[in-house]
Amino acid sequence: QVQLQESGPGLAKPSETLSLTCTVSGASISNNHWSWIRQPPGKGLEWIVNFYNRGTTNYNPSLKSRVTISTDTSKNQFSLNLNSVTAADTAVYYCARVIFDDYSGYPPHFDYWGQGNLVTVSS
Amino acid sequence: SYDLTQPPSVSVSPGQTASITCSGHQLGDKYTSWYQQKPGQSPVLVMYEDRKRPSGIPERFSGSTSGHTATLTIAGTQPMDEADYYCQAWDSSTVVFGGGTKLTVL
Repeated sequence: QVQLQESGPGLAKPSETLSLTCTVSGASISNNHWSWIRQPPGKGLEWIVNFYNRGTTNYNPSLKSRVTISTDTSKNQFSLNLNSVTAADTAVYYCARVIFDDYSGYPPHFDYWGQGNLVTVSS
Repeated sequence: SYDLTQPPSVSVSPGQTASITCSGHQLGDKYTSWYQQKPGQSPVLVMYEDRKRPSGIPERFSGSTSGHTATLTIAGTQPMDEADYYCQAWDSSTVVFGGGTKLTVL
């Protein structure tokens, strides 16, 4: 069974960088594709980024300039950095596994999700 | 940017059929996924590639598309199906979610 667990500070200060880590068990991050998705309190889902095991990445255009993704295969973890945060970045942040084969013609979808990590941006 | 439109809310009586729609330009030419989210929980994939059910999702859930609209149908709706439902598509190498529909079973 694939399990994902987000971790990181629950509070970030305006203009600073939000950092979160997703630890995966039951699947190798090297052999799969992964994503970050967020949900502001009381609102809908907003996709942030997909990154693929072949080294490519797709970003939400509205967030691309502020997003950095990294991986640590030794720990089977991947991380999100979102810089220059404002109150609008307050949200529950989810990591998820992406099912995507661009040769098939089918689009990506998300089959396993973490439990979410609430990050509040406030001074 | 590509937009997906869902009704904010849908109500259904227990045992009846619920239909949740998702509209977008030429959505029928893309493939739609659906997620169920109960309060305080993470989203759960209930449908992908328009009409495929993941393992463990009850057969009462089905999906279809026509023209600009994708539909998630729940036959014989149960109280446990009360949740928010989100559609999701793929356009220009970006993932798009609909705004979500709150399904009330009463």
